[in-house]
Amino acid sequence: DGGITQSPKYLFRKEGQNVTLSCEQNLNHDAMYWYRQDPGQGLRLIYYSQIVNDFQKGDIAEGYSVSREKKESFPLTVTSAQKNPTAFYLCASRTKGPHTGELFFGEGSRLTVL
Amino acid sequence: KQEVTQIPAALSVPEGENLVLNCSFTDSAIYNLQWFRQDPGKGLTSLLLIQSSQREQTSGRLNASLDKSSGRSTLYIAASQPGDSATYLCAVRPDRGSTLGRLYFGRGTQLTVWP
Repeated sequence: DGGITQSPKYLFRKEGQNVTLSCEQNLNHDAMYWYRQDPGQGLRLIYYSQIVNDFQKGDIAEGYSVSREKKESFPLTVTSAQKNPTAFYLCASRTKGPHTGELFFGEGSRLTVL
Repeated sequence: KQEVTQIPAALSVPEGENLVLNCSFTDSAIYNLQWFRQDPGKGLTSLLLIQSSQREQTSGRLNASLDKSSGRSTLYIAASQPGDSATYLCAVRPDRGSTLGRLYFGRGTQLTVWP
């Protein structure tokens, strides 16, 4: 089945550690996104990529890093520089083009810093 | 910068009611608008996508309308059921500028339908 797979579903991290969240899609989508969701805050954009080997910062990129070496994959690293990393992280993808482009989401990864 | 607002923030209704969720956006220069559903602890599920040239889209008991010039969209849910209980979010995609590829989300309407 086509879709977006995020792993792990749950992740616990000690302060000062870097962690990487995986996002893989087999929808042949060009654009991929990482959002962070906190209670009462709505979705906030961390990074997005419209094509392989290119990505742009979103509204809250500080303390995060990404890579886009393959079309199917857009991993997010939460670094120790991110001061408040406990949150629900959502990856999404969509086809490119002005009059298409339905956005699809993965099931999310919940990160808890101990 | 595009801002998306959803009203009401929460809604509680008895089963069987027809209801309307509202979404407004500040910049009418959009490619499309998308409605999503989110169950607790889960990702977002796409419900309806309306292109800027369209006025409405329907899927089953759901109907979404778009008035681009006034910056408004509504999601109409007919004959609501307890299984419709979830948070509903809308998102718009701008059609110009440096933010061409991204979407802007509202904070959602939390819907509870009780038996």
